Amino acid sequence: QSALTQPASVSGSPGQSITISCTGTSSDVGGYNYVSWYQQHPGKAPKLMIYEVNNRPSGVSNRFSGSKSGNTASLTISGLQAEDEADYYCSSYTSTSTPYVFGTGTKVTVL
Amino acid sequence: EVQLVESGGGLVQPGGSLRLSCAASGFTLSIYWMHWVRQVPGKGLVWVSRINPDGTTTEYADSVKGRFTISRDNAKNRVYLQMNSLRAEDTALYYCSRIRVGENWFDPWGQGTLVTVSS
Repeated sequence: QSALTQPASVSGSPGQSITISCTGTSSDVGGYNYVSWYQQHPGKAPKLMIYEVNNRPSGVSNRFSGSKSGNTASLTISGLQAEDEADYYCSSYTSTSTPYVFGTGTKVTVL
Repeated sequence: EVQLVESGGGLVQPGGSLRLSCAASGFTLSIYWMHWVRQVPGKGLVWVSRINPDGTTTEYADSVKGRFTISRDNAKNRVYLQMNSLRAEDTALYYCSRIRVGENWFDPWGQGTLVTVSS
C-alpha cells in the first residue's frame, strides 16, 4: 500500500487561505468517506483536525475545512495564522491488506 | 482526561527485541481498536499494527509482519507491541492511538516512544 500523495510544502501569508491536496486511489480516498487530517507541530504528537472528510472535532477552529472529489481529498485553512505553521497529514481507510494509509505530509509555512 | 502514554523504547542492536507499552486512561479501552503508528524523525507517519477490542484480531504492515506482535490487557488498560528481529529501518518514534468501533480516525495520540536500532 503506497502512501497517499500530498505536496511537500504549501505557504501563505497571514489571513490568506491555503489548500492541501491528498491524492489516493479508488481503494482508499475514492472508495470511502473515511479521510481524516492531522496537524503535527515540531516535537509534538499528531492532532486530529478533520474526520470523515469534512467534520471538525470539538475544539478545532472553523478555519479548518475538508472536502473530497474522486480520489483526491483537500484540507483548506482559511484566515491563515502563525500558529497554523506545522506539518499536516491526511489518512484514509483502505480496502487493501493495510487498513489505514497516511499521506506523505505537507509542511505549511506562514510567510 | 483521555490519555495514552507510551513507554519501552530505547537503543537496541540489530536482531534484538523490545517490548513497547501503551498505558490508556480516561476511557473504556475495551470498545476501541488500538493502533501503533511509527514515524522516522523528519519523515511521515506509517501505520504499523492494530488489535480489535477483545484482542482476537490483529493486523500488521507487511514491513513488520512475522516480527512484531501486538497484544492488549484490557484489565490493565494496556496495549503492547513486541518487536523482535529488529532492523535499522525500524528506527522510529512509535505512537499509540485508538479508533472507536464504527469510526475511522485516530484520536488522540500518545507522545510516542523512540526506538533506535543500531550497533
